[in-house]
Amino acid sequence: DTAVSQTPKYLVTQMGNDKSIKCEQNLGHDTMYWYKQDSKKFLKIMFSYNNKELIINETVPNRFSPKSPDKAHLNLHINSLELGDSAVYFCASSHQTAAFFGQGTRLTVV
Amino acid sequence: DAKTTQPNSMESNEEEPVHLPCNHSTISGTDYIHWYRQLPSQGPEYVIHGLTSNVNNRMASLAIAEDRKSSTLILHRATLRDAAVYYCILEGGYQKVTFGTGTKLQVIP
Repeated sequence: DTAVSQTPKYLVTQMGNDKSIKCEQNLGHDTMYWYKQDSKKFLKIMFSYNNKELIINETVPNRFSPKSPDKAHLNLHINSLELGDSAVYFCASSHQTAAFFGQGTRLTVV
Repeated sequence: DAKTTQPNSMESNEEEPVHLPCNHSTISGTDYIHWYRQLPSQGPEYVIHGLTSNVNNRMASLAIAEDRKSSTLILHRATLRDAAVYYCILEGGYQKVTFGTGTKLQVIP
């Protein structure tokens, strides 16, 4: 069973489009995250939600809007995609100690 | 956020122990020391964490200096599957896991 699952695994889209990445965790964790890993492999936190409430927003452009319909899901919607949004996006969840990461979604904007 | 400093890369021979160092001289009293690793084309994977005392688990051991300004992740017998980027992270509340640049470990057969 996959603890943290993201869909899709790969996403290729044109500039200006709107796209969503879905994330689900079956670990019963209270906290979920989105991270972005750029071409230089630097992992940067974007958002963190605890019990469906936003607790961390690391100066991410307004075009990025996370949505948490329930504790087990944290989806990422991106409007008006730009070339610089190309990266691997990781979803994660945690409960007090370790964070568990999904396999990532490789987004390519052309 | 308190920062960590790690060597960019290290090499180890297969089946030998590996000591991955991390400096965190600005650590605060409530910061936990976490280690994660990222294998090629995969998401980060939790390895171990500790506060003050040394810790052991099935994957590795964590040795924490008495002043807590440095720590060392110990892989007792490196295998080819241990080749990854290892991240030393300080977690100081709100469960905010902030990654640095990490150490790329190469394991030589």
